[in-house]
Amino acid sequence: DQQVKQNSPSLSVQEGRISILNCDYTNSMFDYFLWYKKYPAEGPTFLISISSIKDKNEDGRFTVFLNKSAKHLSLHIVPSQPGDSAVYFCAARDSGNTPLVFGKGTRLSVIA
Amino acid sequence: DAGVIQSPRHEVTEMGQEVTLRCKPISGHNSLFWYRQTMMRGLELLIYFNNNVPIDDSGMPEDRFSAKMPNASFSTLKIQPSEPRDSAVYFCASSRNTGELFFGEGSRLTVL
Repeated sequence: DQQVKQNSPSLSVQEGRISILNCDYTNSMFDYFLWYKKYPAEGPTFLISISSIKDKNEDGRFTVFLNKSAKHLSLHIVPSQPGDSAVYFCAARDSGNTPLVFGKGTRLSVIA
Repeated sequence: DAGVIQSPRHEVTEMGQEVTLRCKPISGHNSLFWYRQTMMRGLELLIYFNNNVPIDDSGMPEDRFSAKMPNASFSTLKIQPSEPRDSAVYFCASSRNTGELFFGEGSRLTVL
């Protein structure tokens, strides 16, 4: 049973526009959320995170929003660039010393 | 600084053969994780170690899979006998306690 769900397997966006990647979770004990980015033939790399005490975290072109009541988070990339084309994984964990739980990933294609 | 090092990068083998994947975590990291990436299930945790001790192997698909961590700088994931459904990319990742996960570049396994 997937505790972290990314329901869109793929997303295509024009260069310069906003990319919005969505993630839902079911475990109410999750209190820390992360996004990882993965290029082909490489391992995932950390992109941005958010703690459950916040509802927004921004880092340059990347912003993550958290809606705890809806158990939903989203990653906004603006403006999108062709180099952002990758698979994005949403991940979550609880406050204990437990491993990250990942979603299935969303493949973002930014078209020039 | 060297990242997480995995070998082999690619492995093609025939059904029934033994497969051994290797991982060297980042020096100083005390947690090591084995993940498997497939289209159907995304990134799923197979097993993780803390201070060389296996903590949770509930993600290991079946008895054909085994993992060891004989010391802080080396871990293996073994599949014996291998089956075509084991074909996937296997990632090793390490972290310092519950900090950021650093992934290796993965081992792509194809079982014919």
